[in-house]
Amino acid sequence: EVQLVESGGALVQPGRSLRLSCAASGFTFDDYAMHWVRQAPGKGLEWVSGITWNSATIAYADSVKGRFTLSRDNAKNSLYLQMNSLRPEDTAFYYCTKGRDYGSGSPFDFWGQGTLVTVSS
Amino acid sequence: EIVLTQSPGTLSLSPGERATLSCRASQSVSSNYLAWYQQKPGRAPRLLVYGASTRATGIPDRFSGSGSGTDFTLTISRLEPEDFAVYYCQQYGSSPLFGGGTKVEIK
Repeated sequence: EVQLVESGGALVQPGRSLRLSCAASGFTFDDYAMHWVRQAPGKGLEWVSGITWNSATIAYADSVKGRFTLSRDNAKNSLYLQMNSLRPEDTAFYYCTKGRDYGSGSPFDFWGQGTLVTVSS
Repeated sequence: EIVLTQSPGTLSLSPGERATLSCRASQSVSSNYLAWYQQKPGRAPRLLVYGASTRATGIPDRFSGSGSGTDFTLTISRLEPEDFAVYYCQQYGSSPLFGGGTKVEIK
């Protein structure tokens, strides 16, 4: 059974940093692209960042480019999102999602339950 | 930059009725990289359809996707009580993007 378990969400002040983690199990992690998608409370879905199976291609939404860094450790079956210079508009549930295949250009076929990041003074 | 517009914003229907949800792209979606997701309150989204018309694993056949280019449709042939939820379309090319969502509510 595929499982994606996010952790690291917290209440943080504007301008501070936070690192989210996603622990994956139930599939061959290094065969698939992975992504983060966020959802502000009561709002729609926003893709944040994605990474191919071998980390050769990493892409970011314009809203987080230059502030967030996505990485993966295939030996640990883990995905990470380093978030710097956080803003109130980054407040959202952050979902770890699995791509349906190894590269970009695949839908997101499994999702974690999300971790809440709140940016407020 | 591509924009996905979903309509209507809210669809009020009764169980057993047919639901037709629209997703329109501001430019052609390459390779029909268009997916539909269902999200229930307090839950993560679930993949329903990808490639515009291919049902994901385990999705009932009352859900069907169609369309190409810039106009796509998700049809639920007969609404079951568990189908009342919010539905999002997504283009999943190099910079994935979601539409604003359509809420299907009980009339």
